[in-house]
Amino acid sequence: DAAVTQKPRYLIKMKGQEAEMKCIPEKGHTAVFWYQQKQSKELKFLIYFQNQQPLDQIDMVKERFSAVCPSSSLCSLGIRTCEAEDSALYLCSSSPTDQDTQYFGPGTRLLVL
Amino acid sequence: GEQVEQLPSSLIVQEGASVLINCSYTDSASVYFPWYKQEPGKRLQFIIDIRSNMERKQNQRLTLLFDKKTKHLSLHITATQPGDSAIYFCSASSNTGGLSGKLTFGEGTQVTVIS
Repeated sequence: DAAVTQKPRYLIKMKGQEAEMKCIPEKGHTAVFWYQQKQSKELKFLIYFQNQQPLDQIDMVKERFSAVCPSSSLCSLGIRTCEAEDSALYLCSSSPTDQDTQYFGPGTRLLVL
Repeated sequence: GEQVEQLPSSLIVQEGASVLINCSYTDSASVYFPWYKQEPGKRLQFIIDIRSNMERKQNQRLTLLFDKKTKHLSLHITATQPGDSAIYFCSASSNTGGLSGKLTFGEGTQVTVIS
């Protein structure tokens, strides 16, 4: 099985603080995706990188998030100013190409107080 | 954009019985449909997938049926075991313009297998 890694596993922030979470994709995978999951329900797509370049993202990410993949072995997702509604599980996935099976990391659970 | 609906939202089944989960999607451009299983505290686990050029796929106790005309999928799990207790997610991915393989997920089906 693929072994996507995410750090930290848990993150607690006060409203208005900045948050950052990291993802180490499976070696050799060129596509990296971030999703947000609230209350074990539907996963919502946030942003997609292909060969470290952001190619697709939702408006919320453009407005309040920062996301980069400075290398093929590390990506990060940041929230510039945390809001209560950002409390969620943030999942990173990677795949060999954007049309292959995505393998997920364990997620970073963010709680905004 | 794509919308994926999954039913039922939850079900309870006796160990050894079968389970059927239904999924429908709206975007005819969707071509790839992976399913995932999420157990409490564990990562989302890929279990089976199907592409739009196929009608049926089987992986051990899992059978996935796909009807392109009705935009409907169904996942059949046979001989259920306590370890099958989890939330199951249907998802869809389009290849529109080759821009993104992002997945659109259904809301999940909570499956509980009782002994």
